[in-house]
Amino acid sequence: ELKVEQNPLFLSMQEGKNYTIYCNYSTTSDRLYWYRQDPGKSLESLFVLLSNGAVKQEGRLMASLDTKARLSTLHITAAVHDLSATYFCAVDRYGGATNKLIFGTGTLLAVQP
Amino acid sequence: GAVVSQHPSWVICKSGTSVKIECRSLDFQATTMFWYRQFPKQSLMLMATSNEGSKATYEQGVEKDKFLINHASLTLSTLTVTSAHPEDSSFYICSALRSDRGYNEQFFGPGTRLTVL
Repeated sequence: ELKVEQNPLFLSMQEGKNYTIYCNYSTTSDRLYWYRQDPGKSLESLFVLLSNGAVKQEGRLMASLDTKARLSTLHITAAVHDLSATYFCAVDRYGGATNKLIFGTGTLLAVQP
Repeated sequence: GAVVSQHPSWVICKSGTSVKIECRSLDFQATTMFWYRQFPKQSLMLMATSNEGSKATYEQGVEKDKFLINHASLTLSTLTVTSAHPEDSSFYICSALRSDRGYNEQFFGPGTRLTVL
């Protein structure tokens, strides 16, 4: 059974600091997705990582994928309060064959002023 | 970006009634849509895959007679929660699969919050 685990589950950080959220998954997959969810809202797509070594950046967020280690990271640079949200990674259950996503546990990020 | 809508955004109903939720892809065609549910402070759980022109496929543990899915067109999928009970109260989110850019990506609707009294 495919498992997708995120670490940490909760992250409280000060504005201006850097931090990394980790996403580990238990089976082979060459694509991984990162989403943001604000309270009471649905998911906003942040990054689509389609191959080993893929790195994408948008603003203060940068995501990378290491398919050999089955690990993706979401790095936050100089955090600001607007980044406070829950972040989910998701993996294609059968490595892209079915488009069925298994979501990670989520990381609740709280950026304190 | 791709836009997916859901209707209604929230619904309160009495136990035993049925509730229909619509999911529409507004600016692209989607032969495949997905239905998820999310409990408070938890992750998303895939319920079923909705396929245009064919039967939906349900994940293990999801009752297909309770959660009826109809994918009537390339832009519309509906989820009907039949004989709803309080334990069906949840946040239901649909997604539509876009495949016209060289890779597949799901775009999510805004969600429907169902409360069963």
